[in-house]
Amino acid sequence: GQQLNQSPQSMFIQEGEDVSMNCTSSSIFNTWLWYKQDPGEGPVLLIALYKAGELTSNGRLTAQFGITRKDSFLNISASIPSDVGIYFCAGQLRGSARQLTFGSGTQLTVLP
Amino acid sequence: KAGVTQTPRYLIKTRGQQVTLSCSPISGHRSVSWYQQTPGQGLQFLFEYFSETQRNKGNFPGRFSGRQFSNSRSEMNVSTLELGDSALYLCASSLAPPGQGDSPLHFGNGTRLTVT
Repeated sequence: GQQLNQSPQSMFIQEGEDVSMNCTSSSIFNTWLWYKQDPGEGPVLLIALYKAGELTSNGRLTAQFGITRKDSFLNISASIPSDVGIYFCAGQLRGSARQLTFGSGTQLTVLP
Repeated sequence: KAGVTQTPRYLIKTRGQQVTLSCSPISGHRSVSWYQQTPGQGLQFLFEYFSETQRNKGNFPGRFSGRQFSNSRSEMNVSTLELGDSALYLCASSLAPPGQGDSPLHFGNGTRLTVT
């Protein structure tokens, strides 16, 4: 089955630093999504990418859909304490279903 | 606009029992999906419903089932519970029908099921 390799597994950064995380796949996806999950809550959609090569921003967050359609990255600029959480990438194949394949997550800790 | 609502938030059940979880999608969303989240396996797709029909099913045993009602609300049922079924069960809704349009999933806060 499809698998997503998300890295790094965890990151410890100083407040104000930039962060980068990425996902790679052995399969092609038509859509890449990035979610953030806080403890005790469900994943919250951050950015959705629908075209290969697409670069999309949402405030301090920027994500790109790789040209090969097998990878995506998420950057967070000028990190703040509320950025703490687990970030997941997810790939989706367009078709008859909306099944998402998720990465294993990146645990982000922001140190004051 | 209210988000995806899942009830109950927490459940404790005993092995062998069955359980029913409920999900109300975002108003106007007709597609509902269910995911299981565990520390070991991460987020895994269970099934997707649209127009009261199951459109896709993940690789889970038949003990896991679901249904969708005419108002788009959905329930999932797990019978003969096992210890390994302990997990966070997440429901997500989407605006567009499966395979139509770019419509991402929006998740609820989940039901935390503990099987003892």
